[in-house]
Amino acid sequence: AQRVTQPEKLLSVFKGAPVELKCNYSYSGSPELFWYVQYSRQRLQLLLRHISRESIKGFTADLNKGETSFHLKKPFAQEEDSAMYYCALSTGNQFYFGTGTSLTVIP
Amino acid sequence: DGGITQSPKYLFRKEGQNVTLSCEQNLNHDAMYWYRQDPGQGLRLIYYSQIVNDFQKGDIAEGYSVSREKKESFPLTVTSAQKNPTAFYLCASSIVRPGLAFVNEQFFGPGTRLTVL
Repeated sequence: AQRVTQPEKLLSVFKGAPVELKCNYSYSGSPELFWYVQYSRQRLQLLLRHISRESIKGFTADLNKGETSFHLKKPFAQEEDSAMYYCALSTGNQFYFGTGTSLTVIP
Repeated sequence: DGGITQSPKYLFRKEGQNVTLSCEQNLNHDAMYWYRQDPGQGLRLIYYSQIVNDFQKGDIAEGYSVSREKKESFPLTVTSAQKNPTAFYLCASSIVRPGLAFVNEQFFGPGTRLTVL
């Protein structure tokens, strides 16, 4: 079975503080992982994907196969980072989403 | 304006009625998906289709039906058999290119909020 776990439903950090949103997955194949973000009153959109190993809006995520994790990190949180974040696992023809973490950055 | 459109934005129906949610895309994507989003449960896959005239059930297909007669369109019908139809419904599409996972990014529509009275 394919599963994605995001243990934190809510996360609050102060502006300028580091932030880490946790994601763990369970998949017997080679994982393809993504982070999606939904800002207030906007569509769900792709933030980054592990295969491209990129940094978007200061966020990075490293795939750790040993720990089966794909945590999202940013060294200095900004108010505009406040949003709902979803970790997702792709099996090629299906996506499996976590339950999401609502991030609030406190000014 | 390219992308995915869903209509209507809000939909109210009486219990026991079937209702159809529209999803259209002009991105020339092969695959289309329907998700249901409930508070605290994230997105759950209802149905998906990778090619015209073919579709597969997702994790929560019971009480729903779909059709894929055109590449651009993937309507979802919420039937009276769906026990808890009140939810936010999201449609998405993606390119299908086996072996190239990075192109599997899904593009989402704005959603339809269905309320059954």
